Amino acid sequence: DVKVTQSSRYLVKRTGEKVFLECVQDMDHENMFWYRQDPGLGLRLIYFSYDVKMKEKGDIPEGYSVSREKKERFSLILESASTNQTSMYLCASRFNYEQYFGPGTRLTVT
Amino acid sequence: QKEVEQNSGPLSVPEGAIASLNCTYSDRGSQSFFWYRQYSGKSPELIMSIYSNGDKEDGRFTAQLNKASQYVSLLIRDSQPSDSATYLCAVNTQGAQKLVFGQGTRLTINP
Repeated sequence: DVKVTQSSRYLVKRTGEKVFLECVQDMDHENMFWYRQDPGLGLRLIYFSYDVKMKEKGDIPEGYSVSREKKERFSLILESASTNQTSMYLCASRFNYEQYFGPGTRLTVT
Repeated sequence: QKEVEQNSGPLSVPEGAIASLNCTYSDRGSQSFFWYRQYSGKSPELIMSIYSNGDKEDGRFTAQLNKASQYVSLLIRDSQPSDSATYLCAVNTQGAQKLVFGQGTRLTINP
């Protein structure tokens, strides 16, 4: 079974803090993705990575960065959290075109 | 025009009936098609993949693909209250590494 885990289910941070969201997959997948999901806006791609140290911007990369130092781990970084980054963050990894999602992190920025 | 379109619903279906969910896409080069189920507060779960024209059945679920008409559908037979969820359609263009998702259709199965 495909297993994607995320470091936290719920997170509360203050405006201006640096926030790290971590995602780990145990299937040796090359491709990993970070999305955010907001009511009425659907799933939006923030960044994705197709190999270690390789990354590409998605549709809404502003205010975010990513790190992929090891194949199994893909981190999303909010450099200076803002209230408009309050959202559900979803990590996914891909195998044979199929994407499998982690449980999600609900981030609240106050 | 949105790349992947779904009726947002809500779609209400009586228990035991067939639920029919539809999705259209704009890119004729699309090659891979997926249906995800998402319960409220949870992450999307992949339930069906389809890559060629026709029907693909898995238990109570049937995915149908018509590339000429650029639509993909999901049928749920013998609908159960546990099928109540939002269903997301996702499409992958050949050579692209990312999926394009529809907004999702909220399905409610009434006992």
